[in-house]
Amino acid sequence: EPEVTQTPSHQVTQMGQEVILRCVPISNHLYFYWYRQILGQKVEFLVSFYNNEISEKSEIFDDQFSVERPDGSNFTLKIRSTKLEDSAMYFCASSEWQRGYTFGSGTRLTVV
Amino acid sequence: GENVEQHPSTLSVQEGDSAVIKCTYSDSASNYFPWYKQELGKRPQLIIDIRSNVGEKKDQRIAVTLNKTAKHFSLHITETQPEDSAVYFCAASMGGNKLVFGAGTILRVKS
Repeated sequence: EPEVTQTPSHQVTQMGQEVILRCVPISNHLYFYWYRQILGQKVEFLVSFYNNEISEKSEIFDDQFSVERPDGSNFTLKIRSTKLEDSAMYFCASSEWQRGYTFGSGTRLTVV
Repeated sequence: GENVEQHPSTLSVQEGDSAVIKCTYSDSASNYFPWYKQELGKRPQLIIDIRSNVGEKKDQRIAVTLNKTAKHFSLHITETQPEDSAVYFCAASMGGNKLVFGAGTILRVKS
């Protein structure tokens, strides 16, 4: 079964540092997403990406965040200057139109 | 924007009993309603979904019902087993874009 893969599985970074979280969506999917889940809380939408541009973003996705699809397979989330409250599990997901919505295994980001 | 409420927050059942988790949504334009199971430290896994043109869907021990008029949908698990213990999230989506999740239900199945 096709999978969404994410790297790294765990990232520890110092406050103020930049981090890049990487994702390889399922190859025939056209829609890509980033979500985050603070420990013990619900999954929250950050951003969706289609046709090489952001299609929607949440209030959480401020100027410190950016996404990129640098080549035909990778999809990245960059946090420019991390804060303690950015500590969370970050999930990448991809889908076809309203089907096949699949989450990656996540990157646990710890900001110290 | 869309808001999804989920109840109960925790649910304990005896092995073999049924479990029901309920969600309500606010935006009548939502048309896709998936349910996810999440085990500790793992990714959300899709277990069943339903679209707004269908009132009920069943897959073995799991079923989902949708009431568009009342804007609520429910997950039903029959003959629960210890391996059903996990956090269950409902979600709603319109237009095939973002998913808006409920707060989650911790299901404990006691053997």
